[in-house]
This record gives sequence, C-alpha cells and structure tokens, in this order.
Amino acid sequence: GAGVSQSPRYKVAKRGQDVALRCDPISGHVSLFWYQQALGQGPEFLTYFQNEAQLDKSGLPSDRFFAERPEGSVSTLKIQRTQQEDSAVYLCASSLDKSKHMNTEAFFGQGTRLTVV
Amino acid sequence: GQQLNQSPQSMFIQEGEDVSMNCTSSSIFNTWLWYKQDPGEGPVLLIALYKAGELTSNGRLTAQFGITRKDSFLNISASIPSDVGIYFCAGQVYTDKLIFGTGTRLQVFP
Repeated sequence: GAGVSQSPRYKVAKRGQDVALRCDPISGHVSLFWYQQALGQGPEFLTYFQNEAQLDKSGLPSDRFFAERPEGSVSTLKIQRTQQEDSAVYLCASSLDKSKHMNTEAFFGQGTRLTVV
Repeated sequence: GQQLNQSPQSMFIQEGEDVSMNCTSSSIFNTWLWYKQDPGEGPVLLIALYKAGELTSNGRLTAQFGITRKDSFLNISASIPSDVGIYFCAGQVYTDKLIFGTGTRLQVFP
C-alpha cells in the first residue's frame, strides 16, 4: 500500500499476557520508528531502526518491551507480561534514509490501540 | 519522557477566524514539524521546516522556524470545520528521533 500499515488496529489484553504489534512501513523507507501515545498526550519515542539495525532503543520503558525488524522491512513491537500502564496507542512511522536525503519527513500509521484489562 | 511546551492547550473558535499556536523548547532542533491528528488516526504531516527563520506556507497554513531554533509557530487562516483536531509540533535532531509537543486541541464552531 501507499502508507504505513499497522495491525491490529485494536488489541485488548489481559494483564500478564504477551502481545505483538506489527508495522508495515512505506516501501523503500529505510528508517522506522515506534512511538507510544498515552491518552491526551503527544507521542513519545520508543525505538528507531535503520534497515534491520536497531540504532536507538532509549525510549523503551522496560525490558518487557522488545522490537525487531529482521529483514529491514516489517517491524514487530512485542510487549511481555502486559501491565495496565502499557495501555496506549502504539504508532509506527517510516522515513527515507537521512544519510542520502536532506529532508526526511516521518509518515505515521494509524496506530494500534492497546487496552490492558 | 521529554515533551515540548505547546500553547494554547485548547482553542474554541468560530468558523472563519484565524488561529495561532506555538511551541517552545529548552533545547535546539534542526528541524521543526507540525502534525494534525484526528480521532483514531495517526498524526498527519502538515508542514516541515528545515532552516532557522524559515517561513513556509501550505494552503491556509503558515509555519515559522524560530531564529533561536528553540521555537516554532503555526497559523491557520480562515478556519473551517474540517480544521478540527489536535495539532502537534515536533522537533528533530540528527538522531532522527522526534520530540513531540503536548498538543493543541482545536474546535471550530459554525
């Protein structure tokens, strides 16, 4: 497709359950970002990939959060042993390779709304 | 996590009025971006600014990159009902990580 695609759109998890959220970036986009958006807040950075390399994971809130992008395209954000405070919208964004392009705007997917009950 | 100061927090205006919102940071950015987010959707890029002092327009939207590189503003002229939504500023440094503002919620009444 033409845009960033995320699935599922909605996920309800019982506390303690593991979840996996998927992101399909725009074709040809080298950079991929995950953000967490709590209700009423702006998105907050979680992690960043350039191709398959995870260059920055400083925003991951705990070791229960893990992200991968094994082939440099699709990415998965995994949350283990979910807690209520993990409830948020998880946004994925992609952009062109900044080392090769001057202006590299990030384009966002629709997000996955995670509710932990 | 770090978020930029964005004001006002919310605005209630009449259709046809002009709108102005701004964003300030304690640190310098080399890129400023403005996004609009509708309910249940991801942020959509409105305007990107790459140079201090730059003034850029996109239709009824005008944004400026502050000279100090620590602030930016967005103006919307002649507002219409579809302008309703939440507007976020975002600053970017060389690491590519976006730091978002706290958002301005815009409501337009006919």
